Amino acid sequence: GQQLNQSPQSMFIQEGEDVSMNCTSSSIFNTWLWYKQDPGEGPVLLIALYKAGELTSNGRLTAQFGITRKDSFLNISASIPSDVGIYFCAGLETSGSRLTFGEGTQLTVNP
Amino acid sequence: ETGVTQTPRHLVMGMTNKKSLKCEQHLGHNAMYWYKQSAKKPLELMFVYNFKEQTENNSVPSRFSPECPNSSHLFLHLHTLQPEDSALYLCASSQDQTRKETQYFGPGTRLLVL
Repeated sequence: GQQLNQSPQSMFIQEGEDVSMNCTSSSIFNTWLWYKQDPGEGPVLLIALYKAGELTSNGRLTAQFGITRKDSFLNISASIPSDVGIYFCAGLETSGSRLTFGEGTQLTVNP
Repeated sequence: ETGVTQTPRHLVMGMTNKKSLKCEQHLGHNAMYWYKQSAKKPLELMFVYNFKEQTENNSVPSRFSPECPNSSHLFLHLHTLQPEDSALYLCASSQDQTRKETQYFGPGTRLLVL
């Protein structure tokens, strides 16, 4: 099946720093999604991207749908301690039949 | 609070036990999903129900048996599990199965099989 390569696997940063993470696929996706999972909770959708080249923001978060439709990026600006968690990318195939998830990026923010 | 609740939140069971996980959604959705989440691995889709009918079973062992009595409730019956089945089991719902991009997840049941 489809596989997404998400990097980095983990990040340790200082409060106030900016963060970037990305996902790449060998196949084309129609939709890219970014989720955050807090400890002890399920993933929560942060941003959804539907068009190649699309750049969408949600507060301090900005995500982009790659031009090739095979990658996506998530940036977090001016990180704060509550940004701690696992961030997942997910891609929806062109057929719309399967949502494929990345392995996640564990973010730790030191105050 | 996403509108999707799961019980129990934690479960420890022996390999010979029978237990059930419950999921309930209060969003008026018609599609419900079971996922398995293991450490350092992507979420694995197990089952999909759309309007109470099972539409996907991703080669899940028969020791996992889903049940969807109505669009708001989803169960996962567990029987003679193996230690490698220990994981976080997540339930999700969406308007219908064509709207997979807008799934709402429950908090999960943390399962430990001894």
